Amino acid sequence: QQQVKQSPQSLIVQKGGISIINCAYENTAFDYFPWYQQFPGKGPALLIAIRPDVSEKKEGRFTISFNKSAKQFSLHIMDSQPGDSATYFCAASKGGNTGKLIFGQGTTLQVKP
Amino acid sequence: DSGVTQTPKHLITATGQRVTLRCSPRSGDLSVYWYQQSLDQGLQFLIQYYNGEERAKGNILERFSAQQFPDLHSELNLSSLELGDSALYFCASSALAGARTDTQYFGPGTRLTVL
Repeated sequence: QQQVKQSPQSLIVQKGGISIINCAYENTAFDYFPWYQQFPGKGPALLIAIRPDVSEKKEGRFTISFNKSAKQFSLHIMDSQPGDSATYFCAASKGGNTGKLIFGQGTTLQVKP
Repeated sequence: DSGVTQTPKHLITATGQRVTLRCSPRSGDLSVYWYQQSLDQGLQFLIQYYNGEERAKGNILERFSAQQFPDLHSELNLSSLELGDSALYFCASSALAGARTDTQYFGPGTRLTVL
């Protein structure tokens, strides 16, 4: 059972464009939604995270939009750059006394110069 | 550099064998997590230890076991290895036990190849 569904699987964007990656979750007990960025040969690194009590969070060119009623959240990368080319994972956690993360399947982003 | 170290970087072994993956968390972090990354399953949570005690368990096979030692480093033991165990194994650490309070920092991973 896949609790966090991510789309698209891959994405090609021109430099300067907007990259959008979507995730949907099933478990309403999730209360923490991070996005991780992974470059080839490296471990995932936290990019930005949101809690369900806010609908949007922005950090530089990266924005998370959160729709609690639809159980969906998305990552927007504005002014995409070739250096943003990486695999992006959304994740969710129930919090409490464990940090167990449930990850989406990942999106490979290629930003063309 | 996340501050989380994992050894070895690569491991090639045969079916039926047993291997041990080692993780040193960031200085001061009490939680260690193990994740498996494969092409078909993505990133899957295996197990979490907090200050030496098992805190949460995912879909970890019975052939796999882990522990966290008093110095907070952790080891993941994989036994009776099968071809399907070939994957990247990541260790992550965080300061406390819950995701809402702290960030998980991932190590560079151990690539396991079972031949």
